[in-house]
Amino acid sequence: DAKTTQPTSMDCAEGRAANLPCNHSTISGNEYVYWYRQIHSQGPQYIIHGLKNNETNEMASLIITEDRKSSTLILPHATLRDTAVYYCIALRDSSYKLIFGSGTRLLVRP
Amino acid sequence: DTGVSQNPRHKITKRGQNVTFRCDPISEHNRLYWYRQTLGQGPEFLTYFQNEAQLEKSRLLSDRFSAERPKGSFSTLEIQRTEQGDSAMYLCASSLEQGMPYEQYFGPGTRLTVT
Repeated sequence: DAKTTQPTSMDCAEGRAANLPCNHSTISGNEYVYWYRQIHSQGPQYIIHGLKNNETNEMASLIITEDRKSSTLILPHATLRDTAVYYCIALRDSSYKLIFGSGTRLLVRP
Repeated sequence: DTGVSQNPRHKITKRGQNVTFRCDPISEHNRLYWYRQTLGQGPEFLTYFQNEAQLEKSRLLSDRFSAERPKGSFSTLEIQRTEQGDSAMYLCASSLEQGMPYEQYFGPGTRLTVT
C-alpha cells in the first residue's frame, strides 16, 4: 500500500472549515484513500473513503486531485469535538489491514 | 448494535505475569483484527481473523503472544511472560466481508501497563 504524508499538526477555529491535506504520490490505481480519526482515549473511527471521485457524507467531504496524488479531508464546520488525530491511509481493494502513519493532530480552538 | 467491546479497559501487571484480553466484535462481523498502539504513534496491525481462522500474524506478534477466536465470535489475546515493552493500548476492530473496500469498527481498547 502506498505511503501517505500528512502535516504533524493543524488548528482551526470552531465553526470554520478544517482542511486536512494528505500526500500519496505513489498511489496505484486500485488503492483507495481512507480517512480515520482517533479522539483521545478512544479507538479510531472511520470517516470516509474514495477512489477517484470526490465524496461527501454526514461527517466530512473528501476531495481527491485528478492525478490522485493528494487529497484533502474537509470538516465543513469544525466543533470542539472534532479535536483528534486524523489518519490518511491508502488501501488496496484486496487489503484488510490498516497501515496507520502518525497522522495529523487537529486542534479546534474555541 | 452495541459496537465493539473490549475487556478489561485497563490492566496493570508485573513483569513476567500472563495477561489475557477479550474482544467482542459487532455480532454480524466475520472479520476481527488486533492492533497495538504505543504513545504518540498510530496503531500497528498485529493479527487478523476471518471467522475462526487466523489468517495473518504480524512479525510484531512474538511467540509470547497468542490470539484465538474459537467460535468465530469473541476473540482473546494472551501475552505470556509480559515485558515492560508490552505496555501499550491493544485495540480490537471488526468488519464485514462484503466486497471491497470496507470499514473497520474499533473498540475502546485495553490499556496495558507492565511494571
